[in-house]
Amino acid sequence: QVQLQESGPGLVKPSQTLSLTCTVSGASIREGDYYWSWIRQVPGKGLEWIGYIYNSGSTYYNPSLKSRVVISLDTSKNHFSLNLTSVTAADTAVYFCAREQRDWGIPVFDPWGQGTLVTVSS
Amino acid sequence: YDLTQPPSVSVAPGQTARITCGGNNIGSKSVHWYQQKSGQAPVVVVYDDGDRPSGLPDRFSGSKSGNTATLTITRVEVGDEADYYCQVWDSSSHHPYVFAPGTEVTVL
Repeated sequence: QVQLQESGPGLVKPSQTLSLTCTVSGASIREGDYYWSWIRQVPGKGLEWIGYIYNSGSTYYNPSLKSRVVISLDTSKNHFSLNLTSVTAADTAVYFCAREQRDWGIPVFDPWGQGTLVTVSS
Repeated sequence: YDLTQPPSVSVAPGQTARITCGGNNIGSKSVHWYQQKSGQAPVVVVYDDGDRPSGLPDRFSGSKSGNTATLTITRVEVGDEADYYCQVWDSSSHHPYVFAPGTEVTVL
């Protein structure tokens, strides 16, 4: 059973860089036709897709965040990471990592990590 | 690309809940539905308009008509109380993954 777990600081200062890691267990992120994604949820609001990385290292980002986002892969540690630069209070959210799988013939986010709250505040 | 959902739906146990998701030309896109219980991660309950992951009860079903997709939950249980989000995948878009604002389902 594949499981994902987010980790990283819960508090980031404005203008700094938010850095999170998603550790994957039960599967190798090097294998399979999977896209490893980050999604966030502003408290009380809906979900926003941030971007994904494929096992080849290729990435694709939400156009509205593209200038500030970098997603990277560390296959030796079986984890992938999110860096979001120049954060503001508007980036305060619960950040989820998720696997986008196409085993059912179409991209679906399954499973997801439990999520981690990141607050941007001085 | 914008999607709309009613903010809330209330339903009595044993009754049927219908949650709609509206979007322009949604008929040409694949729609998934996620259930998010309080404090938990979302879980897919319907994918590709109307398919269910194995193990999901057949009380959950999805359909589409015109510019609206619908998640139907029959024989609603207290444990179905959650937020439900529809998500569209549009392979032709620069922003291929769009989520709707979500609907809070309350079981009275």
